[in-house]
Amino acid sequence: DAGVTQSPTHLIKTRGQQVTLRCSPKSGHDTVSWYQQALGQGPQFIFQYYEEEERQRGNFPDRFSGHQFPNYSSELNVNALLLGDSALYLCASSPEFGARTDTQYFGPGTRLTVL
Amino acid sequence: GNSVTQMEGPVTLSEEAFLTINCTYTATGYPSLFWYVQYPGEGLQLLLKATKADDKGSNKGFEATYRKETTSFHLEKGSVQVSDSAVYFCALPYYNAGNMLTFGGGTRLMVKP
Repeated sequence: DAGVTQSPTHLIKTRGQQVTLRCSPKSGHDTVSWYQQALGQGPQFIFQYYEEEERQRGNFPDRFSGHQFPNYSSELNVNALLLGDSALYLCASSPEFGARTDTQYFGPGTRLTVL
Repeated sequence: GNSVTQMEGPVTLSEEAFLTINCTYTATGYPSLFWYVQYPGEGLQLLLKATKADDKGSNKGFEATYRKETTSFHLEKGSVQVSDSAVYFCALPYYNAGNMLTFGGGTRLMVKP
């Protein structure tokens, strides 16, 4: 049973560019969340997708957007990249939207470096 | 939203030493509480969780008890191994509706032989 997968593993961009990161949830999971983890810090919640709609959003600007596809996979898009967007981007999936006791399963992350 | 504070690291211990990593939280109600671990170069893995007050979560020799009186969820292990070297994160739901998580800043543990 494949866990959460993310691509690419690493990415280098320059300021002002746009980037798309991809995530496939664990089999049987329909809810996908994205987190940003800056170096030496804990992950920060960006947003969560369920039934192809953004359901919750953390404190991130509109430059951060996403999409969920009918097969539950998801993309994170970041426009107009800033140096401060350099981070590890983590995708997490869970089997039941809104279940407060639910465990989130994390992928290995995409390391984004903005030069 | 809810929030969590955990002790800063790094924590350096010798093999077989006792480990405590403190975690306190601020939340309305009684949310589930989690400890995640991040090994070098990897994503986060769930270490243990507790879903209601006074529950004890345990896994791989690690334990944490949900203490509503002190709003704490301290992580403990009686005898650490070199392979336990990692960063540990305490977490709870961002809001009381939904399962998006808010994390502490992480505590790096280094275990020396």
